[in-house]
Amino acid sequence: EAGVAQSPRYKIIEKRQSVAFWCNPISGHATLYWYQQILGQGPKLLIQFQNNGVVDDSQLPKDRFSAERLKGVDSTLKIQPAKLEDSAVYLCASSDPVKRTQYFGPGTRLLVL
Amino acid sequence: AQKITQTQPGMFVQEKEAVTLDCTYDTSDPSYGLFWYKQPSSGEMIFLIYQGSYDQQNATEGRYSLNFQKARKSANLVISASQLGDSAMYFCAMREGRTGGFKTIFGAGTRLFVKA
Repeated sequence: EAGVAQSPRYKIIEKRQSVAFWCNPISGHATLYWYQQILGQGPKLLIQFQNNGVVDDSQLPKDRFSAERLKGVDSTLKIQPAKLEDSAVYLCASSDPVKRTQYFGPGTRLLVL
Repeated sequence: AQKITQTQPGMFVQEKEAVTLDCTYDTSDPSYGLFWYKQPSSGEMIFLIYQGSYDQQNATEGRYSLNFQKARKSANLVISASQLGDSAMYFCAMREGRTGGFKTIFGAGTRLFVKA
């Protein structure tokens, strides 16, 4: 079974630029999560989707971050414009419908200069 | 408020010995799940073990076991027979049930060093 796919794996941009990350969850997983992990900290949930609907986006900085999951499968997270403090690893996860165990992708390492 | 606490920033263990990584949690939701993840230096988050709040038995997965003490709100991870490859960050996480909107939060993590 294929795992959670993410791209790109690495991205370097300058502040005020835009960036987008893509995630394809495990087949059959209705719930998809985007996390931000700053160096030395645990992951922080940015947004959680159930199919193509948003379940929780309370910690998403909506003035600059946006996310969509239009067809209930893959998802895109965008930052516009980026700030220095957005430098982090962005992790995508999806969960199975029974135990709701989250399985993570390899992450995208973002460096904002 | 939902909260996960991992009080050990770093731990050392001798190869082949057992080690316990601490995790305490706080929630008012009667239904919740507890998870442990391993994050090697490569950055991937690897699922290790799951414990449901209504599970009667402590969860075990190979060399990993979860010491679940519901009354004390603790969910410590026990790794038996440590191996050099166990050196990594370990995160405890909690997912609340329907009452809590299925929210998930992670602790700050514990870095484990396995010595040869």
